[in-house]
Amino acid sequence: GENVEQHPSTLSVQEGDSAVIKCTYSDSASNYFPWYKQELGKRPQLIIDIRSNVGEKKDQRIAVTLNKTAKHFSLHITETQPEDSAVYFCAATGSGGSNYKLTFGKGTLLTVNP
Amino acid sequence: DADVTQTPRNRITKTGKRIMLECSQTKGHDRMYWYRQDPGLGLRLIYYSFDVKDINKGEISDGYSVSRQAQAKFSLSLESAIPNQTALYFCATSEGGGEKLFFGSGTQLSVL
Repeated sequence: GENVEQHPSTLSVQEGDSAVIKCTYSDSASNYFPWYKQELGKRPQLIIDIRSNVGEKKDQRIAVTLNKTAKHFSLHITETQPEDSAVYFCAATGSGGSNYKLTFGKGTLLTVNP
Repeated sequence: DADVTQTPRNRITKTGKRIMLECSQTKGHDRMYWYRQDPGLGLRLIYYSFDVKDINKGEISDGYSVSRQAQAKFSLSLESAIPNQTALYFCATSEGGGEKLFFGSGTQLSVL
């Protein structure tokens, strides 16, 4: 099955700095890569996603890049703010007819210090 | 607003007890999922259902069972709870043909 590795497990940045979280996946047939944000005590929520036919996608201060050859994708947050503090999860679809059955990374705890 | 509702929000039980976690949704989505969240382990899929007559095991289904009572209801049962099933459990939904997951507010389960 699909295996998703996520790094780092914790990340601390100063407000205004950039943050980058990286994920690798094992199944070359995977074609959908979302990122979820989970604030403390809240439910995970989708913040951005990318499909395998696209190399980069941006939405205001966040962006995701995908390198299919290397099987890795990254989340970039620019001009970080305290409200960006949360756990971020990457995910990838499986293969063999299991579309929409996501495999998640173990999460990255991002702390933005004022 | 359409939502995904889980009950109970918190539950403490004892080893060996049978327990049911319930999930209902008003989003009108066909697909429903149960995930388990443990610190440092991320979200792991327990079971998923793409319609009322479709039930599939996820990566960690041992010790769990599910029932899809209706399009809007998907319950998770622990037949004989054990301490390592202590975790935060999330129900989620998605549209048929869509990948975006909508999570419920979660159930914190503690097995003593």
